[in-house]
Amino acid sequence: QVQLQESGPGLVKPSGTLSLTCAVSGGSMRGSNWWSWVRQPPGKGLEWIGEILHSGKTNYNPSLKSRVTISVDESKNQFSLRLTSVAAADTAVYYCAREGGSQLGYFETWGQGAPVTVAS
Amino acid sequence: EIVLTQSPGTLSLSPGERATLSCRASQSVAKSYIAWYQQKPGQAPRLLIYGASSRATGIPDRFSGSGSGTDFTLTINRLEPEDFAVFYCQQYGSSPLTFGGGTKVEIK
Repeated sequence: QVQLQESGPGLVKPSGTLSLTCAVSGGSMRGSNWWSWVRQPPGKGLEWIGEILHSGKTNYNPSLKSRVTISVDESKNQFSLRLTSVAAADTAVYYCAREGGSQLGYFETWGQGAPVTVAS
Repeated sequence: EIVLTQSPGTLSLSPGERATLSCRASQSVAKSYIAWYQQKPGQAPRLLIYGASSRATGIPDRFSGSGSGTDFTLTINRLEPEDFAVFYCQQYGSSPLTFGGGTKVEIK
């Protein structure tokens, strides 16, 4: 079955850029599934960041839209998150997930999560 | 944006008891597009229910979901020791996708 694995720096400086990659294995990103990023600050709930289709079409959470870019590399079967101008409030575990249904769906498969701390 | 309010915040129950978790939306959720997740410490969430009442693959039938409009419920019959965790509801009827604040089900 499909498995997801996040990777990237665990520490980012304030005002810097957070970059994470999600590698997809056990299946292709092509097809009708959308792929998302979700984050969870320490001890808090879940926040959807945005989603992408293999073609590159995206949808973002308006609360983060000005700072977020999600991109896809079909040749590597992976997709990426870029979050600019980070602050301490962006400290969280970042999950990538495959959606069920069509776009703007539920999250049927999750990666294990990548903890990211924003600190100098 | 649809705001989801989960109650209670914490539910203290014993194994074998029934858990009833509530998720109330600030406006009607289109097509009852509500999902429920279970999250244990240090783990990613796990999908339990989608479409308000459809169990995800491999989820035991002691987990059931119901509801429509603005009020949704997750019921766990006969709690097993491995069921104790935090549960989140999520709506996918409109953008942005949003989650409730969670209900912790703890061992009494």
